[in-house]
Amino acid sequence: GQQVMQIPQYQHVQEGEDFTTYCNSSTTLSNIQWYKQRPGGHPVFLIQLVKSGEVKKQKRLTFQFGEAKKNSSLHITATQTTDVGTYFCAGPSGGSYIPTFGRGTSLIVHP
Amino acid sequence: NAGVTQTPKFQVLKTGQSMTLQCAQDMNHNSMYWYRQDPGMGLRLIYYSASEGTTDKGEVPNGYNVSRLNKREFSLRLESAAPSQTSVYFCASSDGQRGEKLFFGSGTQLSVL
Repeated sequence: GQQVMQIPQYQHVQEGEDFTTYCNSSTTLSNIQWYKQRPGGHPVFLIQLVKSGEVKKQKRLTFQFGEAKKNSSLHITATQTTDVGTYFCAGPSGGSYIPTFGRGTSLIVHP
Repeated sequence: NAGVTQTPKFQVLKTGQSMTLQCAQDMNHNSMYWYRQDPGMGLRLIYYSASEGTTDKGEVPNGYNVSRLNKREFSLRLESAAPSQTSVYFCASSDGQRGEKLFFGSGTQLSVL
């Protein structure tokens, strides 16, 4: 079945440093979604990318979808303590509309 | 507009007990889902319902049953709880079947002793 891998599992940064998490799928994705889960909270949708090679920005966050639609990345510039949480990628493939989630990357920001 | 509402927020069960987790959404969404979240394992799909009256197994359905009571409500039942079912359970919904974004409830933290 489809597998979605995310690395790293954890990332500690000093406030102000940049952060990147990577997502790789074993199969081609019809789209890629990114979610953020604050500690003790529930996943909240951030963005969806659909087109091959697509890049989208939300303030300090930059999202990319690979040319082959099998990988994606989330980059945060100049992290802040409010960025703390776990970031999940998710995407449907193989004709299914249901997204398979990666295991997430937990971001810890030290002030 | 409450979004996706789950009850209860916390539950402790003894092995072998049964319980039902309730979920309701007020966004008129067609699709609803139940996920479980375990440390380091991400979100794994238990069951989903593409529309009222239909349900299908996800990645980890064993030990669970579901009911899509109507368009708004989708419940998850544990008939005989086991310690391996200790987890955080999230209900989610989406508008249709085109890979749209998911809206999650606040979760149920379940401990089975």
